[in-house]
Amino acid sequence: QVQLVESGGGLVKPGGSLRLSCAASGFTFSDYYMSWIRQAPGKGLEWVSYISSSGSTIYYADSVKGRFTISRDNAKNSLYLQMNSLRAEDTAVYYCARVFDPAGYFDYWGQGTLVTVSS
Amino acid sequence: SYVLTQPPSVSVAPGQTARITCGGNNIGSKSVHWYQQKPGQAPVLVVYDDSDRPSGIPERFSGSNSGNTATLTISRVEAGDEADYYCQVWDSSSDHPKVVFGGGTKLTVL
Repeated sequence: QVQLVESGGGLVKPGGSLRLSCAASGFTFSDYYMSWIRQAPGKGLEWVSYISSSGSTIYYADSVKGRFTISRDNAKNSLYLQMNSLRAEDTAVYYCARVFDPAGYFDYWGQGTLVTVSS
Repeated sequence: SYVLTQPPSVSVAPGQTARITCGGNNIGSKSVHWYQQKPGQAPVLVVYDDSDRPSGIPERFSGSNSGNTATLTISRVEAGDEADYYCQVWDSSSDHPKVVFGGGTKLTVL
C-alpha cells in the first residue's frame, strides 16, 4: 500500500534552516509528481511547493519562494524540502503528498512533521 | 491570485444532508477536489474532479460544480462525518501554476 513518511521536523530559531524528508513506498515513486503542503496550528491548508516526476519542473508558493527548495531522489524514493531563512510564520505541520496527475489532486498524504520556528 | 471562499462552519443533524460550498470566479471551468480532515489526522481525498469518489469513500459523499460555486454534499450525515472539509483547485492563470485551497469548513453534527 502507498505510504508517505515525513521526517526532519523540529524546533529551529528564526533565520535558521531545516531539511524535511519524505520516504515513499508502495508505488513507483519516479512516475509521480509530488508536493509539500503545510498547516499552521489551528489554520487551514496551504500549498508550499510541487515537483514533477523527473524534477525538471518546480513551482513554489509566493510565501516561500527564494527561501525553500524542493528536490527529489528517485533512486532513494525520497522527497525533500530544504527550508532556509525560517520565520515564525513558517511554523506548521508539513505534509508531503502524491499528486495524481500534473494538475490534479493529492491522492495520498503523509502523517506530517511539525516545524516550530521560535527563539 | 485565485481565491476560494468556504463558509467557516456548517451544522446538520444526523441523518440529514449537509452541503458545503466553495465559491470562486468561474470555478465551473476548473476541476474541484475535496478533502476531509479529522482532528490530529492528515487530510483524506473524498471527491475529485468535481464529482468522482475515490475507492473506499461512501456514496453518501458527492460533488457538483457550476458557475461560481462548487458544492460537496454529504447525505445521511453520520457522527463520524464531523470534520474540516477543504476544496482545492489549480490556478493556471499565470506562467507559474499554483495550488489553491479554500479556507476550510468545519462540519458539526448536532
